[in-house]
Amino acid sequence: QKEVEQDPGPLSVPEGAIVSLNCTYSNSAFQYFMWYRQYSRKGPELLMYTYSSGNKEDGRFTAQVDKSSKYISLFIRDSQPSDSATYLCAMSKAAGNKLTFGGGTRVLVKP
Amino acid sequence: GAVVSQHPSRVICKSGTSVKIECRSLDFQATTMFWYRQFPKQSLMLMATSNEGSKATYEQGVEKDKFLINHASLTLSTLTVTSAHPEDSSFYICSARPTGANQPQHFGDGTRLSIL
Repeated sequence: QKEVEQDPGPLSVPEGAIVSLNCTYSNSAFQYFMWYRQYSRKGPELLMYTYSSGNKEDGRFTAQVDKSSKYISLFIRDSQPSDSATYLCAMSKAAGNKLTFGGGTRVLVKP
Repeated sequence: GAVVSQHPSRVICKSGTSVKIECRSLDFQATTMFWYRQFPKQSLMLMATSNEGSKATYEQGVEKDKFLINHASLTLSTLTVTSAHPEDSSFYICSARPTGANQPQHFGDGTRLSIL
């Protein structure tokens, strides 16, 4: 079993809908949680960075961390075709430590 | 802010050639840089962690003599794939973590390496 599980998708939504992504993990030592967006043939782009449990909002993006359930989520409001990409969750035990990635979820936002 | 530049973006070369890839943090200093490899439709696989001024730490199964890493300054790390063969063809991505507490990794745009 992988340390971080993420549904590969594809997740197809109409433009303007809310995109809901999530990851589950098994190692309770993870403290730092990140969401990255990766377009084809590009490097990952940092979207959200959170520490421990709680919610964080940045524009159209909301990240949630529930450490008791070992579950993290990313919500994208008012989705646009340009949001079509692969979304990777990542986590680490301490700031600066190596990241453990989920497998990525491919998202398609249809006009 | 937090821009990481990776060069070259694409390399095509013959088997047996050594290839050097550069990773630069343009607007911040990075004590630690990381090198990843990504196969099609798969997630990133960490190859090594590079700390400025010291030897890199390689992940299990990654050949140190095959993938030479140098991190000579706080803004530059290089990965050299020595005597590359077709099985080394892949997408190589670097990341850099700004110096300071609680900073996340920022990624370059990757280098697509094709060995003929």
